[in-house]
Amino acid sequence: QVQLVESGGGVVQPGGSLRLSCVASGFTFSNSGMHWVRQAPGKGLEWVTFILYDGSNEYYADSVKGRFTISRDNSKNTLYLHMNSLRAEDTAVYYCAKDALRLGYYFDYWGQGTLVTVSS
Amino acid sequence: EIVMTQSPATLSVSPGERATLSCRASQSVNSNLAWYQQKPGQAPRLLIYGASTRATGIPARFSGSGSGTEFTLTISSLQSEDFAIYYCQQYNNWPQTFGQGTKVEIK
Repeated sequence: QVQLVESGGGVVQPGGSLRLSCVASGFTFSNSGMHWVRQAPGKGLEWVTFILYDGSNEYYADSVKGRFTISRDNSKNTLYLHMNSLRAEDTAVYYCAKDALRLGYYFDYWGQGTLVTVSS
Repeated sequence: EIVMTQSPATLSVSPGERATLSCRASQSVNSNLAWYQQKPGQAPRLLIYGASTRATGIPARFSGSGSGTEFTLTISSLQSEDFAIYYCQQYNNWPQTFGQGTKVEIK
């Protein structure tokens, strides 16, 4: 069965950096577009970023553009989110999610999430 | 970006009753609309895509309808496990955007 397991969350000071990872199994990772979606405490869902199946293109929400970078290693079935210049408003549970149709549409499988807290 | 507005914010329903949730887009998204269910402490789960197609393993009591700017998720007979928050999401335009959610609670 499809599994997505995130890790790397934690507490970081404003202006700091963090790298999240998502290990995938149960499907052909190298054929799948992948997303990061976040959810601030008690709030709704916010799409963050997407990467094509081969890593050839990426898309970002305006709120993270220039600060976050998505990447992937298809040889390791792993998705990454590099987060720099973190702000308090980046505090959220970060979910990795598999795209249902490869090219950036809706999310058919989600990980359990990893919590990022930006606080001094 | 396309703004998705869900109503009501909270819906109080008795078990066995019908629940109707609405989602409106600020411009047409054709049928590129998905619905998700989220329970406390859990990740969202895909229910509906293409506005009306149930995802794998989703019970038939869940149905979606609509196109353009107006969409509806109907739960025909609420079961105890259906009390949760429901989100709509458009994927017609970048960036994909979600509604703010409708909480379905026990009456």
